Amino acid sequence: DADVTQTPRNRITKTGKRIMLECSQTKGHDRMYWYRQDPGLGLRLIYYSFDVKDINKGEISDGYSVSRQAQAKFSLSLESAIPNQTALYFCATSDSSQGNTEAFFGQGTRLTVV
Amino acid sequence: RKEVEQDPGPFNVPEGATVAFNCTYSNSASQSFFWYRQDCRKEPKLLMSVYSSGNEDGRFTAQLNRASQYISLLIRDSKLSDSATYLCVVSTGGFKTIFGAGTRLFVKA
Repeated sequence: DADVTQTPRNRITKTGKRIMLECSQTKGHDRMYWYRQDPGLGLRLIYYSFDVKDINKGEISDGYSVSRQAQAKFSLSLESAIPNQTALYFCATSDSSQGNTEAFFGQGTRLTVV
Repeated sequence: RKEVEQDPGPFNVPEGATVAFNCTYSNSASQSFFWYRQDCRKEPKLLMSVYSSGNEDGRFTAQLNRASQYISLLIRDSKLSDSATYLCVVSTGGFKTIFGAGTRLFVKA
């Protein structure tokens, strides 16, 4: 089983719908992140959390919200989906006690907004 | 100008070839450097960290040039299984981690 699990893996939704992407981890890491990946743009940070209830905006947070109610879970919501939010979304974790080291990624959620 | 820039490629090389990728970064305060590998439609995974003195892991060698603000990845004796996208990652500490857009490598038989 993956240490960082994202659900759903694929989703097609209509413009204007609310959608939630879930991320859970069994690594015991304190830090969690949501990124989106678009062709030619690399991974861009949407939101990050350093601990339960700690929420911080990344570089492209507009149109998104997140929730961290437990250390192991970090959910991303699109309140009213729009087509340019079609992308591959990754959740990641890292361990602050290990310094600035490796980020572990979930398998990704491919979201299509039509 | 992007904070981290990579040649998108693709690099098409035969098996056994040596190939090198460069990555430039704009923030001189950057502290940590990494190369990640991403297979098609998969998640990125850490390939190796990049240290100031340069480091090697089997067929892979990473180097850092702080004065010119670039890092490099050298792959020797390329294998078919090396075909992937290689992401340059630069961190200024804390959450400020920037991923490059990636360089695509195709190794052909």
